[in-house]
Amino acid sequence: AQSVSQHNHHVILSEAASLELGCNYSYGGTVNLFWYVQYPGQHLQLLLKYFSGDPLVKGIKGFEAEFIKSKFSFNLRKPSVQWSDTAEYFCAVKSSGNNRLAFGKGNQVVVIP
Amino acid sequence: NAGVTQTPKFRILKIGQSMTLQCTQDMNHNYMYWYRQDPGMGLKLIYYSVGAGITDKGEVPNGYNVSRSTTEDFPLRLELAAPSQTSVYFCASSPNTRTSSGNTIYFGEGSWLTVV
Repeated sequence: AQSVSQHNHHVILSEAASLELGCNYSYGGTVNLFWYVQYPGQHLQLLLKYFSGDPLVKGIKGFEAEFIKSKFSFNLRKPSVQWSDTAEYFCAVKSSGNNRLAFGKGNQVVVIP
Repeated sequence: NAGVTQTPKFRILKIGQSMTLQCTQDMNHNYMYWYRQDPGMGLKLIYYSVGAGITDKGEVPNGYNVSRSTTEDFPLRLELAAPSQTSVYFCASSPNTRTSSGNTIYFGEGSWLTVV
């Protein structure tokens, strides 16, 4: 079964700092990769996704992620965070031929004004 | 466009009670899912369905049942509520996953359930 690892569950940053959240997965075949964000008290919203093509994916709100196949990674980045980026971030992976998403445990990000 | 709608938003149950979490989607999606979210544990798949009349177990199905009589609706039933089922439940849906856009899963707003 696919497994997804996210490290550093709690991240505290100041505004304007850069953010990078790591995501590693276990499946070696074709995958679809996602980052979801959950703002306090809200449901999950899609930040960005990778299916194929350019491994550097741009998402909403200035986020981007890079798919590195050799490292089984899909790290999320934002050069300069804002207070409104305080949220929980989930990496998710879908293996080809499988209808289900496997989620990581999430990163709780707090941005201090 | 309402998307994925879940009810109720909040519910407190006593141990041993039963209840149904309702989920409906108006996007004509084939695939529907139920996840539970526990602090520090991410989301775990309870049950999923690839179309009306078809359901299958996810990672943590014990204590739950589902049905999919229509494309729109995918209710989740708790028969004998236990404290371990205290969680936030998310219903989700996605279109045919054979298309590139079909791989995106859309989530409902969540149902907070407490079993005491």
